[in-house]
Amino acid sequence: DTAVSQTPKYLVTQMGNDKSIKCEQNLGHDTMYWYKQDSKKFLKIMFSYNNKELIINETVPNRFSPKSPDKAHLNLHINSLELGDSAVYFCASRPPSGSSYNEQFFGPGTRLTVL
Amino acid sequence: TQLLEQSPQFLSIQEGENLTVYCNSSSVFSSLQWYRQEPGEGPVLLVTVVTGGEVKKLKRLTFQFGDARKDSSLHITAAQPGDTGLYLCAGSGGYQKVTFGTGTKLQVIP
Repeated sequence: DTAVSQTPKYLVTQMGNDKSIKCEQNLGHDTMYWYKQDSKKFLKIMFSYNNKELIINETVPNRFSPKSPDKAHLNLHINSLELGDSAVYFCASRPPSGSSYNEQFFGPGTRLTVL
Repeated sequence: TQLLEQSPQFLSIQEGENLTVYCNSSSVFSSLQWYRQEPGEGPVLLVTVVTGGEVKKLKRLTFQFGDARKDSSLHITAAQPGDTGLYLCAGSGGYQKVTFGTGTKLQVIP
């Protein structure tokens, strides 16, 4: 009964390849996020979707394209992978506005290594 | 841009000692959360503070929100090895956007 799940857990790929990471939440939340955690453990927001609509789009290269087929899923596609994309990517969701204070429920992370 | 600075960055203490972690910003937040992250896992929510001056306790952990809602502290009493992890504060200011702190890596030695 995993709340927020991500696949794959580990992803090792060559520079220039295209890859996708999938995220699903079974909490009934309306809002989902993608975060990037670098080697210094700094967690930075990348995107946020609310009911399949993009609401936050931080300064992220356009090689990164999120897609939300429904409010329980938020996938991240990355084109032309670069060495600097190596990091741990976390998916998160939050309860509906009015019932929470932006508390985030995180998935287990996807460790991406670009060689 | 809202920034949250945490101090110390690293902390290694003996089991049974007390410690305090600080989370500071020049921005006002409508709410602030503390998370703990263990290796290979995602951050897990510990607490949310909302009101300036608010104090919340979670067993041996005491969380305080600054009066001006710009800073927060986490105090752990009689630390145990199970407290080891990365502690992250996170502030909410804008619509559904969360800013995470720089993190404090805690190691409790048995």
